[in-house]
Amino acid sequence: EAGVAQSPRYKIIEKRQSVAFWCNPISGHATLYWYQQILGQGPKLLIQFQNNGVVDDSQLPKDRFSAERLKGVDSTLKIQPAKLEDSAVYLCASTPSGGPYEQYFGPGTRLTVT
Amino acid sequence: AQSVTQLGSHVSVSEGALVLLRCNYSSSVPPYLFWYVQYPNQGLQLLLKYTTGATLVKGINGFEAEFKKSETSFHLTKPSAHMSDAAEYFCAVSDGRDDKIIFGKGTRLHILP
Repeated sequence: EAGVAQSPRYKIIEKRQSVAFWCNPISGHATLYWYQQILGQGPKLLIQFQNNGVVDDSQLPKDRFSAERLKGVDSTLKIQPAKLEDSAVYLCASTPSGGPYEQYFGPGTRLTVT
Repeated sequence: AQSVTQLGSHVSVSEGALVLLRCNYSSSVPPYLFWYVQYPNQGLQLLLKYTTGATLVKGINGFEAEFKKSETSFHLTKPSAHMSDAAEYFCAVSDGRDDKIIFGKGTRLHILP
């Protein structure tokens, strides 16, 4: 079974630039999550999708972050414009719905904003 | 609201010694509890989970954890540390209602030769 795929693995941008991350969850997993993990901290949920609908985006900074999962499969997270404090690892995870199942994580995208 | 507290952001043990990573949780309903491990430049991987039933849970790589409701704890142990156990460990809690997991801040485990 293929795991959660994410790309790119690393990205360096200047502040005020834009960036996009892509995630492809495990096949058949209805629920998809984007987390932000700042160095030395645990993952913080940014947004949760079930199929192509948003379940929770209460911690997503909507003035600069956006995410979509148009066909209920893969997802894109965008930051525009980036700030220095956005430097972090962005993790994507997926799970079958109706849990509490374990969440399966991708390898993450390490973003550095200079 | 649920929360997780991991005691000690860094723990060092000698190779072959007992590993003990502490986790306390807060939950208004019977919790589901998880331990995840994160190796450098990788995502999180499930070590073990408690949902219902037996309170002593065995996971991968020789780790186990015991759910103690009276102490609101879910400490992770391994009898004998190996160099390959050096990683970041996260305790997490869920109420099982909305597929959300709340993570602790993590404990970095260092193994001394």
